[in-house]
Amino acid sequence: DIQMTQSPSFLSASVGDRVTINCKASQNINRYLNWYQQKLGEAPKLLIYNANSLQTGIPSRFSGSGSGTDFTLTISSLQPEDVATYFCLQHNSWPYTFGAGTKLELK
Amino acid sequence: EVQLVESGGGLVQPGRSMKLSCAASGFTFSNYGMAWVRQAPTKGLEWVATISYDGSSTYYRDSVKGRFTISRDNAKSTLYLQMNSLRSEDTATYYCTRGGGGFPYWGQGVMVTVSS
Repeated sequence: DIQMTQSPSFLSASVGDRVTINCKASQNINRYLNWYQQKLGEAPKLLIYNANSLQTGIPSRFSGSGSGTDFTLTISSLQPEDVATYFCLQHNSWPYTFGAGTKLELK
Repeated sequence: EVQLVESGGGLVQPGRSMKLSCAASGFTFSNYGMAWVRQAPTKGLEWVATISYDGSSTYYRDSVKGRFTISRDNAKSTLYLQMNSLRSEDTATYYCTRGGGGFPYWGQGVMVTVSS
């Protein structure tokens, strides 16, 4: 199985900060990497698909980059409503596997 | 608008069975593979099972093989997960998800608690 190592596991930042979250795959997954946002008590919501494509309706302050084994989710200017846990998912090969999550809080 | 609505969760004793359902709408159900993903309390997400668009192929994570069965009824736009021989480690919120580029759409989830 492909292991997804996500970092950091916890992040505290201020409104307006630039925030980056990383996922590293244990082997090449090309660009088959999605990013999700999960707010407390809610289902995950797709933010970025195939490494760098913004899902419809998602604010442009969210962006993704990377290919191969190293990927990054960036929030260009943190907003209060961005408080959530963020997960990555590799969908290059079965079984699809998730990162352990990054809990983002406001400082 | 894509909607996925799960039902059938609750409290069940270890070793017993439970069947989850997921009613889909807002897209042509028979065109997409579907999957179940679960999340144990305070834990991360874990893929459980996938079924192809026509039901001809199914895939399971090792820990549920032989105990769980994923199925679908395209005429009813409904996905199912039959869970047998349930264990405490199966306690989780189970999400119904649509395929097509990872899991772009998710239901709200249904809680399954395995406890005596």
